[in-house]
Order: sequence, then C-alpha cells, then structure tokens
Amino acid sequence: GAVVSQHPSRVICKSGTSVKIECRSLDFQATTMFWYRQFPKKSLMLMATSNEGSKATYEQGVEKDKFLINHASLTLSTLTVTSAHPEDSSFYICSARDQRQPQAETQYFGPGTRLLVL
Amino acid sequence: DAKTTQPPSMDCAEGRAANLPCNHSTISGNEYVYWYRQIHSQGPQYIIHGLKNNETNEMASLIITEDRKSSTLILPHATLRDTAVYYCIVRAYGQNFVFGPGTRLSVLP
Repeated sequence: GAVVSQHPSRVICKSGTSVKIECRSLDFQATTMFWYRQFPKKSLMLMATSNEGSKATYEQGVEKDKFLINHASLTLSTLTVTSAHPEDSSFYICSARDQRQPQAETQYFGPGTRLLVL
Repeated sequence: DAKTTQPPSMDCAEGRAANLPCNHSTISGNEYVYWYRQIHSQGPQYIIHGLKNNETNEMASLIITEDRKSSTLILPHATLRDTAVYYCIVRAYGQNFVFGPGTRLSVLP
C-alpha cells in the first residue's frame, strides 16, 4: 500500500505557458499533500503544503500566484506553474501523508515530474 | 534546517552490509527518526522509521542508541540497486519533513 503517482513524469514547455502537474494517492486518502522542488545535485525543498478543501500554505519565498495549488479531493492535488520561465525548470515532487498512522504520519512520495522550460 | 548530520558519501561492496550513520543529538522525546532514500531521478522512497526501539522490516534495520542521539540504518546485503542518496530525518507529529544533503551510498561490484 501507500502509493503516490504523479503525472506527467516529464514535460517540456515554452516560456510563458502554464503547466499543470497532478499528484494522486492511489490506495489511501490524504487530507494533506506536499509539493517539493529539487534542483540538480541539491536536496528537496518544501514549496507548499496542500490541504484538502482549503488554501495551501506556502513556504517563505515561494510565490503563491506563480505556483497554484488545488487539493480538490482526498486523493488528488495539482500544482500549476503559471507563466513558466527557464528558471522554473526543476524536478517537482509531491508527497502525501498517510494518516492511518496518526502518531508517525509517514509520508510517501511520488516519482517526480521533470519540468524543462525553453 | 535539518536536525541531522550524515556523512556526505559512503562506499559499500555488493553483498556486504551497508551501515549508514546519522547523528541527531538535539532530538526531542516526541520526535521520530525516519529514513528515506532517493535513487537518481526518482522520488524519495520510504525505508523505515522508529522512535526509540530498534526496528526491522523487509528493507532494512534501524538501530537507535539508548540516548537517541544517533542511529544507524543497516542494509544487510547491499545490491547495486541500493545505490542512492539516503536521508535521515527527525520529526515530530505535525512537523514537516526537512531534507538535509543525505549520504550518497555507492554499492560497488
């Protein structure tokens, strides 16, 4: 159990366009999902926490109008990179918190989406 | 900031045990120790977690010292597919996962 999927796995887009990335928890419900970004040879950096039915919480320095997050159901969160620019090129990873273990709250990560903005 | 310290890299011979250390000297009583790994160009994979007792599952064993200030992840028989960056993370209920640089484990044939 505890599988998280992401779609697409890889996307190339032109500068100025918007890109939507989906994150799904396949075999458990997740009221909370997380979006991370990872640059080459760097560690994961948390961008925002996505809460089902409410607004996302963004980390300091992350523009909420640029990275739109929607968590419309208990199994789906989406990240939309609006007006993408080359500096937004990165590896975007989502995770979902498995609340079947309330004290430990293990997080399970998706396989990641590699975004390249030309 | 990450609350853990790990060596930046380690090598291990294929078939041998890989012992990955982690220092977390400021760990609080309600914080768990988690281990994840990230194989190149993939999302992190959950390995194991524990509070104070040693834990074992099909992937690895987690040994936590009695004072909980350090721990060791043990892969009993490392294979080439275990080559990855291993992250040791401490967190309490409700806290975010904070990833440090981790340990890059290279399993050598």
